[in-house]
Amino acid sequence: GAGVSQSPSNKVTEKGKDVELRCDPISGHTALYWYRQSLGQGLEFLIYFQGNSAPDKSGLPSDRFSAERTGGSVSTLTIQRTQQEDSAVYLCASSLVRQGGTPYPYSNQPQHFGDGTRLSIL
Amino acid sequence: GQQVMQIPQYQHVQEGEDFTTYCNSSTTLSNIQWYKQRPGGHPVFLIQLVKSGEVKKQKRLTFQFGEAKKNSSLHITATQTTDVGTYFCAGSRGGSYIPTFGRGTSLIVHP
Repeated sequence: GAGVSQSPSNKVTEKGKDVELRCDPISGHTALYWYRQSLGQGLEFLIYFQGNSAPDKSGLPSDRFSAERTGGSVSTLTIQRTQQEDSAVYLCASSLVRQGGTPYPYSNQPQHFGDGTRLSIL
Repeated sequence: GQQVMQIPQYQHVQEGEDFTTYCNSSTTLSNIQWYKQRPGGHPVFLIQLVKSGEVKKQKRLTFQFGEAKKNSSLHITATQTTDVGTYFCAGSRGGSYIPTFGRGTSLIVHP
């Protein structure tokens, strides 16, 4: 079946411009995650969605970053007034959420990643 | 907050040598996941460990979850050039949907 789809694959823009990144998760996956990965670095957590709500926005670097998810499916990550330090690969992942069981009634499941958007700020 | 430390950051090996990467958590985990990211690619899920002391094998890869559920390891026997990439562990606390990723170990295999 179709995997996680992200667009655009590459984005080059001038400092100060706004950018919008899109993520289309695997159908039926209620959990959606955004990460940022700088060259040769690990994964920096940005935000997590369960359905359309974002119970954890703690990773957003500043108020220039925002994200939304509609219809429990597509998500967009918006960066306003981009800065050069925003240059990175932005990865989206989706997963199922297992409900039921002990001792934890809810648990995370394997994440399926998209190919990412490589963002370059000039 | 929860921290997951992963070592080493880089590992160079000759093809045919073994390789191990280690993850240590500051808190007890409910599960730990392992991912592989090839150069230029995205992370791909390898396995999830849930039980204390669990050991799972995938061909030449052996995954372990510590008895205290605070550490884990990935061991590759007789590395091949196809094993090149960065291996990440991701640990989750009970009831949390958000795993904490280690910084990854980049494996370089010299033919």
